[in-house]
Amino acid sequence: AQKVTQVQTEISVVEKEDVTLDCVYETRDTTYYLFWYKQPPSGELVFLIRRNSFDEQNEISGRYSWNFQKSTSSFNFTITASQVVDSAVYFCALRRGSSNTGKLIFGQGTTLQVKP
Amino acid sequence: KAGVTQTPRYLIKTRGQQVTLSCSPISGHRSVSWYQQTPGQGLQFLFEYFSETQRNKGNFPGRFSGRQFSNSRSEMNVSTLELGDSALYLCASSLVETSMNTEAFFGQGTRLTVV
Repeated sequence: AQKVTQVQTEISVVEKEDVTLDCVYETRDTTYYLFWYKQPPSGELVFLIRRNSFDEQNEISGRYSWNFQKSTSSFNFTITASQVVDSAVYFCALRRGSSNTGKLIFGQGTTLQVKP
Repeated sequence: KAGVTQTPRYLIKTRGQQVTLSCSPISGHRSVSWYQQTPGQGLQFLFEYFSETQRNKGNFPGRFSGRQFSNSRSEMNVSTLELGDSALYLCASSLVETSMNTEAFFGQGTRLTVV
């Protein structure tokens, strides 16, 4: 079975602090895809990153960085120098690579509040 | 390039009624998926369509149905509404048909309230 667990339900930080959102996944597939999405109050899920199971290279995009470790089945997301605009719900998701489907399996989400 | 468009944005219905939600994917995208988001259950997959065919279905009762048209636009229908159907319904479109390394782009959702 496929499962995604987001360790933190809520995180509150003060602006300019660094914050890490943890994501642990379960799958028996050898090929799979991991995603992070941001959901602001408007409701739309905004795509942040995709990572393929065969590519463990970490990625940095501005203040965002992602740490993918297959050995621990984790795909963690770090925001450096957080800003108030980062306040949102963040979702980690898994897509199987072995079947013909675009179905995403989501974690429960982490609500991030960045205080000024 | 226009994003995923969902209509209506907000909807209030009475128990027992039926409702139809619409989703227009990004131009050129042929895969459309629907998700239900509730505070208790989180984001749950409803169904997925590609080239007018349902390719995958989540664990929802038969009251939930959908379809896709030749222009890739999709609709989902919920019949005999229950209070528990109150949720944010999100539509996502993807470029290609398989579970390849493509991302899904989401619309802003339709917030359905059943009273």
